[in-house]
Amino acid sequence: AQRVTQPEKLLSVFKGAPVELKCNYSYSGSPELFWYVQYSRQRLQLLLRHISRESIKGFTADLNKGETSFHLKKPFAQEEDSAMYYCALSPTQGGSEKLVFGKGTKLTVNP
Amino acid sequence: DTGVSQNPRHKITKRGQNVTFRCDPISEHNRLYWYRQTLGQGPEFLTYFQNEAQLEKSRLLSDRFSAERPKGSFSTLEIQRTEQGDSAMYLCASSRAGTYEKLFFGSGTQLSVL
Repeated sequence: AQRVTQPEKLLSVFKGAPVELKCNYSYSGSPELFWYVQYSRQRLQLLLRHISRESIKGFTADLNKGETSFHLKKPFAQEEDSAMYYCALSPTQGGSEKLVFGKGTKLTVNP
Repeated sequence: DTGVSQNPRHKITKRGQNVTFRCDPISEHNRLYWYRQTLGQGPEFLTYFQNEAQLEKSRLLSDRFSAERPKGSFSTLEIQRTEQGDSAMYLCASSRAGTYEKLFFGSGTQLSVL
């Protein structure tokens, strides 16, 4: 069965501090992994995906198959990064037909 | 706004009543998804369509739930004989068909069953 675990329900950091949101997954195959974000009063939206190897708004995420992790990192947090972050896994190679989401981590960046 | 549109935004109903939600995807997207989200949880997959074909349904989707996308454009999700456990945010998303296409989510329909 596919499972995504985000161990921290809440995470609070100060502006300018590094931030790491943890994500671990359980999947027997080769997964495609994503981070989605929901800012206050906005829709859930894609932040980044593993396949693109991109950095969005200063965030990066590295897939570690040995540790089955896909942690989201940013070296210097900004107040506008405060949001709900969801890690998600696509068990279907080649598409996002069925995303399996974690429970989410609420990030608060304090001034 | 050319994003995914969901109606209504909120629905309050009594237990045992039927409810129907509508989702209008982004016009050029041929994939449409329904998710359900309860408090403190991430979105849970319910079903998805490619054009008018319903290609996958979750075991979460009991016989009381039915989804349609008759012309491959908008979709409806109907819940019959609602139960209090159906109270949740129902999210719709759409995407192009392709490799690693991102999902665009609507604002959701918040259902409260009294």
